Amino acid sequence: KQEVTQIPAALSVPEGENLVLNCSFTDSAIYNLQWFRQDPGKGLTSLLLIQSSQREQTSGRLNASLDKSSGRSTLYIAASQPGDSATYLCAVETQGGSEKLVFGKGMKLTVNP
Amino acid sequence: EAQVTQNPRYLITVTGKKLTVTCSQNMNHEYMSWYRQDPGLGLRQIYYSMNVEVTDKGDVPEGYKVSRKEKRNFPLILESPSPNQTSLYFCASSLFSGGAGANVLTFGAGSRLTVL
Repeated sequence: KQEVTQIPAALSVPEGENLVLNCSFTDSAIYNLQWFRQDPGKGLTSLLLIQSSQREQTSGRLNASLDKSSGRSTLYIAASQPGDSATYLCAVETQGGSEKLVFGKGMKLTVNP
Repeated sequence: EAQVTQNPRYLITVTGKKLTVTCSQNMNHEYMSWYRQDPGLGLRQIYYSMNVEVTDKGDVPEGYKVSRKEKRNFPLILESPSPNQTSLYFCASSLFSGGAGANVLTFGAGSRLTVL
């Protein structure tokens, strides 16, 4: 059974720091991995999607990498801002016909001015 | 505007009173899914649908039903709600699923359900 882990569960940093958020998964047979952002009381917003054949994706100050063989992904946030404060979740879609999306429990990021 | 719309956004009900949470998307997406989000447990998939008339169980389907009679709609039905179904529910959709192509999920704003 696929398990997705995000450590730490929470992180508080001063504004301007470059951040690395980690996501690990146990079954490397995946179709893709997605990173989401969730603001309090809101739904999830997709940030980046990496197909299993890709190594990384970039969008603005965000860069996500995927190492399928080791079961790891990182989300890099450059020059963090208070507006980046949110919970970040990663999710993997596993092969094998189950078509299930498995989420990590998220990491709550606070960027202090 | 491309979106996933859930209703109601907030609901307080009592044990055993049947309820339906509607979900509608206007993007002609094939794949739709329901999740519940609970503190300490994260997001867990309840049911998903690959296309019209095709539905399958996720990780926590007990106590829930779904139907997919039309491509745009994917209602979540609680036949006899119980307090352990108090949660924040999200509907999501994507153009395809799995190896068929990019699977960027669009989420609804969420429905907070309280069962007394």
